[in-house]
Amino acid sequence: KNQVEQSPQSLIILEGKNCTLQCNYTVSPFSNLRWYKQDTGRGPVSLTIMTFSENTKSNGRYTATLDADTKQSSLHITASQLSDSASYICVVSTMDTGRRALTFGSGTRLQVQP
Amino acid sequence: EAGVAQSPRYKIIEKRQSVAFWCNPISGHATLYWYQQILGQGPKLLIQFQNNGVVDDSQLPKDRFSAERLKGVDSTLKIQPAKLEDSAVYLCASRGQGATEAFFGQGTRLTVV
Repeated sequence: KNQVEQSPQSLIILEGKNCTLQCNYTVSPFSNLRWYKQDTGRGPVSLTIMTFSENTKSNGRYTATLDADTKQSSLHITASQLSDSASYICVVSTMDTGRRALTFGSGTRLQVQP
Repeated sequence: EAGVAQSPRYKIIEKRQSVAFWCNPISGHATLYWYQQILGQGPKLLIQFQNNGVVDDSQLPKDRFSAERLKGVDSTLKIQPAKLEDSAVYLCASRGQGATEAFFGQGTRLTVV
């Protein structure tokens, strides 16, 4: 069964600090992995996509890593801002017999405090 | 480019009542998804359409949930009758042909009392 597990479930940090969110997956066949940011009351918005051959990708203060061997990904947020307060969801995509399926993690709820 | 539109944004109903949600995907997007997101959890796929055909509805509680996308564009999701445990945010997403990213609407927050 395809599964995506995220940790921690929730996290509180002070503004300006860094943090790292983890994502472990057991999804096959793997196509890509996305990190989404979901603000309260909004739909998820894609931050970054990782394919099998990519190890690291940055998007501003967000840096995602992927280890396809251990099936782990991380999202590192540098110099956090109050606006980073949101849920961060790891989504793994499979492509099987021409059909793309998405498996969602439960998300990490990040709260940045002043 | 307009995003995925959903309505209503909020709905409160009593248990055993019926409710319907509407989604208009991004123009030209062939794939449309309906997700249920219970508070504190990640979205769970209810149904996936490819144009007007159902690709995956394995997790749709078919005794009470139904969805259609008759013309392959906008879609409706219906719950009849609603239960307390149906309280959640219902997200609609769409994806273009061959694309890897799904774009989400803002969701409809349903409260069943």
